[in-house]
Amino acid sequence: ETGVTQTPRHLVMGMTNKKSLKCEQHLGHNAMYWYKQSAKKPLELMFVYNFKEQTENNSVPSRFSPECPNSSHLFLHLHTLQPEDSALYLCASSQEPTSGGRDTQYFGPGTRLTVL
Amino acid sequence: GQNIDQPTEMTATEGAIVQINCTYQTSGFNGLFWYQQHAGEAPTFLSYNVLDGLEEKGRFSSFLSRSKGYSYLLLKELQMKDSASYLCAVRDSNYQLIWGAGTKLIIKP
Repeated sequence: ETGVTQTPRHLVMGMTNKKSLKCEQHLGHNAMYWYKQSAKKPLELMFVYNFKEQTENNSVPSRFSPECPNSSHLFLHLHTLQPEDSALYLCASSQEPTSGGRDTQYFGPGTRLTVL
Repeated sequence: GQNIDQPTEMTATEGAIVQINCTYQTSGFNGLFWYQQHAGEAPTFLSYNVLDGLEEKGRFSSFLSRSKGYSYLLLKELQMKDSASYLCAVRDSNYQLIWGAGTKLIIKP
């Protein structure tokens, strides 16, 4: 069961390319998240949107640009990336992050990004 | 700083029991989550603990001791499909989720 979908699942891009990752949630949630997952490292929170407003930007380089047109859709625009940006990019959604400790995040399958 | 520690990798035998530990040091505590992640797939929610004690869900149980900053995930009657990474995460006083690096569990026949 996946209430969160992501496209594409795999992406290979050169350092000068521009591409976008897309995430859609079908759970009626109000918050959406972008995470970066690198091998043997904790998930790194990149951006949080709550009711379409960006509430977190954890010192992410400007070559990553998020967009949240509505509560169901989230994009991550990529440009002039570096090889060290190669990772699995996960999208998640939750009901409402400040509603209490039990607010549970549900993840999409991720986009495996390789920067050449 | 905030920190979550869990073993990098564990190996267990099909049909056996395994315990995956998680220790944490965070700014406040508003609950602890366990997720399962199969290779190349999304992390999926397993359990949430906010009070001390054991929560059982079928073959999986999760334990929490807030005074010790400690949790474990107990998997019984291991099956090959349980081979996955198990992620521990703590919600801090700002309602941020602090993640561990995950424990890769290998099940052998």
